[in-house]
Amino acid sequence: AQKITQTQPGMFVQEKEAVTLDCTYDTSDPSYGLFWYKQPSSGEMIFLIYQGSYDQQNATEGRYSLNFQKARKSANLVISASQLGDSAMYFCAMSPNFGNEKLTFGTGTRLTIIP
Amino acid sequence: DADVTQTPRNRITKTGKRIMLECSQTKGHDRMYWYRQDPGLGLRLIYYSFDVKDINKGEISDGYSVSRQAQAKFSLSLESAIPNQTALYFCATSDLSSNYGYTFGSGTRLTVV
Repeated sequence: AQKITQTQPGMFVQEKEAVTLDCTYDTSDPSYGLFWYKQPSSGEMIFLIYQGSYDQQNATEGRYSLNFQKARKSANLVISASQLGDSAMYFCAMSPNFGNEKLTFGTGTRLTIIP
Repeated sequence: DADVTQTPRNRITKTGKRIMLECSQTKGHDRMYWYRQDPGLGLRLIYYSFDVKDINKGEISDGYSVSRQAQAKFSLSLESAIPNQTALYFCATSDLSSNYGYTFGSGTRLTVV
């Protein structure tokens, strides 16, 4: 069974600062995929970034990067130069076999950006 | 039109009533999922289907049933709604060839009174 742990229920960050959202995972699968999603107050789920378990380099998508530390089973999301529009819930998730099977989600972190 | 459409967007129903939440997609994806979201619990998988003839229970299937009427349609039913089924329900689709996770619907906010 796969498990995702997000230990930060809420975070407050000053605008323009970088922010790291923590995510640890547990799985016995040798191959897996890690995802981050954003959920603004409007409720929709927005895909942010993906990391495969055999990817050697950390994934990056614009201001988002995924700090993947495989030995520590950690997949933290880093948002550089935070903006007011980054205020949202953020979910870490994982799936077996790299791909899109049965995503297991964490409980989420509510990020609030302070002007 | 949205790639994944959920209807209704909001619904208030009474305890004991049967209710169906519908999901249709234009992505051409084989895989479809139903999740519920509760505050502090994240998203939890209710049912999933990898093709029309394949239906699987997820983590929290008790009290729910599903129907995969076609590749594009996946419905979730609450046979006899109870208040603790009040939640935000998401339908999602995926394709094995993509590394972009799911395509989500906009969600159905269900309140059982």
